[in-house]
Amino acid sequence: DAGVTQSPTHLIKTRGQQVTLRCSPKSGHDTVSWYQQALGQGPQFIFQYYEEEERQRGNFPDRFSGHQFPNYSSELNVNALLLGDSALYLCASSLGLVRRNTEAFFGQGTRLTVV
Amino acid sequence: AQKVTQAQTEISVVEKEDVTLDCVYETRDTTYYLFWYKQPPSGELVFLIRRNSFDEQNEISGRYSWNFQKSTSSFNFTITASQVVDSAVYFCALSEARSSASKIIFGSGTRLSIRP
Repeated sequence: DAGVTQSPTHLIKTRGQQVTLRCSPKSGHDTVSWYQQALGQGPQFIFQYYEEEERQRGNFPDRFSGHQFPNYSSELNVNALLLGDSALYLCASSLGLVRRNTEAFFGQGTRLTVV
Repeated sequence: AQKVTQAQTEISVVEKEDVTLDCVYETRDTTYYLFWYKQPPSGELVFLIRRNSFDEQNEISGRYSWNFQKSTSSFNFTITASQVVDSAVYFCALSEARSSASKIIFGSGTRLSIRP
């Protein structure tokens, strides 16, 4: 049973460029959340997708956008990259939008470096 | 606003020592979830425990134990007889009652180093 898989593992981009990160949730999971983890800090919630719609959003600018596909996989897009966007981007999947006693399973992340 | 504070940035102990990682949280919700996650160098967050706000029973799982005290808004984590493999960054976290997997608020983490 594959867990949460993210691609690519590492990525280097130039300031001003755009990037797309991908996430496949754990088998059977229908909800995907994205987190940004800057070096030496805890993960920060970006947004959550369920039924192909953004359901919750953290305190991130509109440059951060996402998408969820019918197969529950998800993409995170970041436009006009800034040096401060350099971070580990983690995807988490879970079952059900409003469900108690459920776990969020995390992928190994995509390390984005903006130069 | 919800907030999680892990005052210990780094801890280093010798193998077989017991170590406690502190966690203090703030929330206005009466129902919420608390978590501990482990992050090894590979980057993946590994779930260790979830506790809901109505369950103040302490929990023990092997060498791991957790102490939840609602009166002091604390959810501390103790590793007994630490091992080198316990070396990692540990995060305490909090989420709202709507879903235990919804927006999770993480602390800044405690880097634990176990020396042989």
